[in-house]
Amino acid sequence: QVQLQESGPGLVKPSETLSLTCTVSDGSISNYYWTWIRQPPGKGLEWIGYIHYSGNTIYNPSLRSRVTMSLDPSKNEFSLKLSSVTAADTAVYFCARRVATKPIYCFDSWGPGIQVTVSS
Amino acid sequence: AIQMTQSPSSLSASVGDRVTITCRASQGIKNDLGWYQQKPGKAPKLLIYTTSYLQSGVPSRFSGSGSGTDFTLTISSLQPEDFATYYCLQDYDYPLTFGQGTKVEIK
Repeated sequence: QVQLQESGPGLVKPSETLSLTCTVSDGSISNYYWTWIRQPPGKGLEWIGYIHYSGNTIYNPSLRSRVTMSLDPSKNEFSLKLSSVTAADTAVYFCARRVATKPIYCFDSWGPGIQVTVSS
Repeated sequence: AIQMTQSPSSLSASVGDRVTITCRASQGIKNDLGWYQQKPGKAPKLLIYTTSYLQSGVPSRFSGSGSGTDFTLTISSLQPEDFATYYCLQDYDYPLTFGQGTKVEIK
């Protein structure tokens, strides 16, 4: 069973760049879409975007100008960078694996999540 | 963006009750809808994908139905471990969007 684990700083200063990594174990990073989703305190889930093994990316338009995702197959990990953060970016950030093999579309594996707080 | 509206936002139910949660899309999404369960402090867990397919390992008391704009998650007999928040997710068009969640609480 594939396992995902987020890592990165838990505290980021306003206007700086949030950087997170998701390490994939017990499974290959090939042939899937690797996703970031976040959840502000006490609120619902927001899809940030995903990167395919091929390197193709799709981002949520609400965050597109500030988001960059990358993937390192040699390390079996993928990353998220979110620039110019504000307090509104404070959230638990989840990485997840997206299955997209017609007709199956779903997020079937998730990391436990990492709390990121934006504060000076 | 496609808006996903869940109802109710919360409900109180007893063990053994039949529970139904509805998700309505602002436009047709065929059957590209999934349901996720989230417990406090945990990551969401996939229950159902493509409207009605049960994820491996998920109890058969969970079922999904619908198409187009209206979808339903049913728990046939609520168990103590089912008290959680449930989210629908449309996977039909970008940006992917979740419903606001339905919190199932103990009566």
